[in-house]
Amino acid sequence: DAGVIQSPRHEVTEMGQEVTLRCKPISGHNSLFWYRQTMMRGLELLIYFNNNVPIDDSGMPEDRFSAKMPNASFSTLKIQPSEPRDSAVYFCASNPSTGELFFGEGSRLTVL
Amino acid sequence: GEDVEQSLFLSVREGDSSVINCTYTDSSSTYLYWYKQEPGAGLQLLTYIFSNMDMKQDQRLTVLLNKKDKHLSLRIADTQTGDSAIYFCAAGLDSWGKLQFGAGTQVVVTP
Repeated sequence: DAGVIQSPRHEVTEMGQEVTLRCKPISGHNSLFWYRQTMMRGLELLIYFNNNVPIDDSGMPEDRFSAKMPNASFSTLKIQPSEPRDSAVYFCASNPSTGELFFGEGSRLTVL
Repeated sequence: GEDVEQSLFLSVREGDSSVINCTYTDSSSTYLYWYKQEPGAGLQLLTYIFSNMDMKQDQRLTVLLNKKDKHLSLRIADTQTGDSAIYFCAAGLDSWGKLQFGAGTQVVVTP
């Protein structure tokens, strides 16, 4: 199994630009999670889906952030417009309904 | 909501044992995990323990759970330089995978 696949691994963009991060969960996993990691705030849960349906988006910072899961094998996290304070590593993780999370390698976002 | 706390830094000599401690606040937490993160990588599940257990051993790793004090620890025996990483404690109420993570403990192994 290839594991959770995230793209891009690194993104550098300018303030105001739209950013789209992508995730392919492990096949057969029912839940998908988006986390953000920064030095100041650690790991923050942004949103999670179960069977492609958003369950809890209370961690999404503001309306500039949106996430979709159109099918069981793909999810996107979009930031529009991006701001320098959005700079972080964004992780996607999936869960096969056993409680444990399998993480991707992360997407490092730098907003100038 | 759940709050998970752990010490931020641990320095240990190669060959010694490391002990990383973690406390959580929600006594209903059933699923307790230890994850390892190496530089530039995602989090990798190391081991886990369910709340109906007191101890779990997996090769060099020993997890101890004190439910009364809501205290979890991870002991790494014969610590190696490859064990240098950030270790995260995480707690969850169910199998859905919604976990509360601690801030992570940076473990540095010196020769």
